[in-house]
Amino acid sequence: GAVVSQHPSWVICKSGTSVKIECRSLDFQATTMFWYRQFPKQSLMLMATSNEGSKATYEQGVEKDKFLINHASLTLSTLTVTSAHPEDSSFYICSAGGVGEGTQYFGPGTRLLVL
Amino acid sequence: GESVGLHLPTLSVQEGDNSIINCAYSNSASDYFIWYKQESGKGPQFIIDIRSNMDKRQGQRVTVLLNKTVKHLSLQIAATQPGDSAVYFCAEMDSSYKLIFGSGTRLLVRP
Repeated sequence: GAVVSQHPSWVICKSGTSVKIECRSLDFQATTMFWYRQFPKQSLMLMATSNEGSKATYEQGVEKDKFLINHASLTLSTLTVTSAHPEDSSFYICSAGGVGEGTQYFGPGTRLLVL
Repeated sequence: GESVGLHLPTLSVQEGDNSIINCAYSNSASDYFIWYKQESGKGPQFIIDIRSNMDKRQGQRVTVLLNKTVKHLSLQIAATQPGDSAVYFCAEMDSSYKLIFGSGTRLLVRP
């Protein structure tokens, strides 16, 4: 149980385009999902907390207008990187659960390369 | 601000030996800690967790030790295998259920 999937697993796009990444909890409902970004050889940095049916909460320094988060159902959260630039190239990872339960279950990650 | 850090960025061990990965945390109010394993190109994988009311917890081949006095966390892997090669992160959960990750330790297992 507690499987989290992400789609796509990798994406290459041109600078200036927008990219949507999906995060799904496959066998449980998640009122809260988290989005992380990880640059090469670095740790995971929390970008935002996604709450079902309400606005996401962004960490300091993360542009909410650039990284749009939608959590429309208890099993799906999406992250849209708008007007992507090469510096947005990174490994994006989502997680689900954690509130009141402790453990967060992580997705496999999405590798984004912006040319 | 809050931070979780590691003492050793890279640890190389002989296959079959025991591995010890260390982590220091700064928020004395944290009451839940987790160790994750991350293989290249994959998301973090839960290994073991511990709450602050415990000082030791054992799993299969893994043990986590928590020393609240010095705010130190360690992960012990018994009989390290090649499949254990990965980056290991400790993380602490704050009062808003956010995870704060340490900088990571790369474990290399020599055959």
